[in-house]
Amino acid sequence: QSVLTQPPSVSGAPGQRVTISCTGSSSNIGPDYDVHWYQQLPGAAPKVLIYGNNNRPSGVPDRFSGSKSGTSAALAITGLQAEDEADYYCQSYDSRLTNYVFGSGTTVTVL
Amino acid sequence: QITLNESGPSLVKPTQTLTLTCSFSGFSLSTSGVGVGWFRQPPGKALEWLSLIFWNDDKRYNPSLRDRLTVTRDTSKNQVVLTMTNMDPLDTGAYYCAHRRNWNPNWFDPWGQGTLVTVSS
Repeated sequence: QSVLTQPPSVSGAPGQRVTISCTGSSSNIGPDYDVHWYQQLPGAAPKVLIYGNNNRPSGVPDRFSGSKSGTSAALAITGLQAEDEADYYCQSYDSRLTNYVFGSGTTVTVL
Repeated sequence: QITLNESGPSLVKPTQTLTLTCSFSGFSLSTSGVGVGWFRQPPGKALEWLSLIFWNDDKRYNPSLRDRLTVTRDTSKNQVVLTMTNMDPLDTGAYYCAHRRNWNPNWFDPWGQGTLVTVSS
């Protein structure tokens, strides 16, 4: 059972915008801890997409953006492309569990 | 360029001890601020953090697995070793190591390609 809750799946047509939510609590996604997002392509290792709520590492397209509000965060993908089909995970830290925590994961399907 | 690579047995029997090695290049685990994390992912399930070792040999463990985990480093070989005792079929999955990035909280990039471990008699 993941501490951070994500929708199991989202889908969209090429070119559309999709968002993935990540819902936590005051002991993880809150004023004390930022949220990071990872993309995991089929059969591959995770790769960071967004760090510190809304920062993109070099090489990550600006179609990917992140936000955080209260105890929730969101990843938005605009101009959806076939290559975006993957699993996406949010990550933070939980002070009550003293544990790095991941979301339950969301599978993005391009219709 | 930072790279990491996990190695170890692909099959272990229940109750045995798993030993995994993370070999890395492009950074030194004796440099201030550096860290290496371990993670795992059961088939079709979410990622789970296991352990984190820092440049000063400080170590952190997932509290739910603390009693079974040990992480060590060999700075001369650029390697980090994770051992997990008393393996169970529920421990089957892909195991990854990753380079720690300093933030609040830490994030991890890049990751190794992962090694698949099956626990079965």
